[in-house]
Amino acid sequence: AQKVTQAQTEISVVEKEDVTLDCVYETRDTTYYLFWYKQPPSGELVFLIRRNSFDEQNEISGRYSWNFQKSTSSFNFTITASQVVDSAVYFCALSEALLDGANSKLTFGKGITLSVRP
Amino acid sequence: NAGVTQTPKFQVLKTGQSMTLQCAQDMNHEYMSWYRQDPGMGLRLIHYSVGAGITDQGEVPNGYNVSRSTTEDFPLRLLSAAPSQTSVYFCASSYSIWGDTQYFGPGTRLTVL
Repeated sequence: AQKVTQAQTEISVVEKEDVTLDCVYETRDTTYYLFWYKQPPSGELVFLIRRNSFDEQNEISGRYSWNFQKSTSSFNFTITASQVVDSAVYFCALSEALLDGANSKLTFGKGITLSVRP
Repeated sequence: NAGVTQTPKFQVLKTGQSMTLQCAQDMNHEYMSWYRQDPGMGLRLIHYSVGAGITDQGEVPNGYNVSRSTTEDFPLRLLSAAPSQTSVYFCASSYSIWGDTQYFGPGTRLTVL
């Protein structure tokens, strides 16, 4: 069964600090997708990134970067020079293609609450 | 495009009442799903649909019914509300069954007294 673990529950940093949010996943499949979503205080879920299991290249988007390591089953998210607007709950999620042909689903971690203080 | 819309935004029910949470998308997505979000639990899948006329259960389906008569709409019905169903409900859609990015509606905050 697929599983996503976000061991950090709450992180608090001061503005301009770098912060890394950890995500560890479990899957029996070789083909899967990983996602990160942001949930700001307003409550909506905002898509950040999608990565498939065959692409281990790290990705950078502005102050955001993602480190995908299949060897450790991790898909970590780093915010560089954090800002107050980065305060939110961040979810990591996994979608796998089940070998028996059954429908797949998106499994979420429990989320990490990031607070960035001015 | 409006994306994924949900109504109502807030709802208070008494135990035993029934109601329907509405969800619609205008992106011609085949896959739609309902999640509930509870503190410290992340998002858990309630029901999903891979196309009009096809639905299936997710991780926490008890107490909820769904149907999908059109591609656009995927309502979630609570037949007899219970306090344990107090939660924030999110509807999501994606183009295909798996691997595609799911886009979420704004959510419905439901309180059952």
